[in-house]
Amino acid sequence: GAVVSQHPSRVICKSGTSVKIECRSLDFQATTMFWYRQFPKQSLMLMATSNEGSKATYEQGVEKDKFLINHASLTLSTLTVTSAHPEDSSFYICSASLAWDSNQPQHFGDGTRLSIL
Amino acid sequence: GDSVTQMEGPVTLSEEAFLTINCTYTATGYPSLFWYVQYPGEGLQLLLKATKADDKGSNKGFEATYRKETTSFHLEKGSVQVSDSAVYFCGRKAAGNKLTFGGGTRVLVKP
Repeated sequence: GAVVSQHPSRVICKSGTSVKIECRSLDFQATTMFWYRQFPKQSLMLMATSNEGSKATYEQGVEKDKFLINHASLTLSTLTVTSAHPEDSSFYICSASLAWDSNQPQHFGDGTRLSIL
Repeated sequence: GDSVTQMEGPVTLSEEAFLTINCTYTATGYPSLFWYVQYPGEGLQLLLKATKADDKGSNKGFEATYRKETTSFHLEKGSVQVSDSAVYFCGRKAAGNKLTFGGGTRVLVKP
């Protein structure tokens, strides 16, 4: 089946640091990737939709200057949390989809647990 | 807007018990429906899907049928195992490829 790799799996860093998370589709070309945030014992909240070669589309309430998304190729999207603070601590998950066809499932990475001290 | 509602957990069962997790969705458009499972500390794995009314998705003993008349996609398994302990998410996806999740249902299976 389709595989999505997310790296790193865990990050612990000081307040004010910028953190980059990578999401790679390993065996297919993903025209669209999605970034989610998950708080403990809660559902996934969509942050943004990342389209290859164009600007990401952010959900309402998500700061685009805080969460920088780059989708430079059909197999890689990155999320950079700029000047991270303790309230940014969360579990971040990416997913990738083969096409705009809504019948195709999204394939998820294993997530990145971000802890800001 | 699009939404998915699933039963709140946690659901605690004994091994070999029957599991049902209810899920209903908003009927806007012609969504595809999915169940994902999340094991502790991991991302989501696709469990099964159904793309049109009356389709039945099945995988690893789990089943769910796309019921348009009741806008439901309930997840069932006849005999659960300890290894089925996880959080289960129901999702709907329509045009634009956005996946809307329910709140998740935590299932704990005791030996």
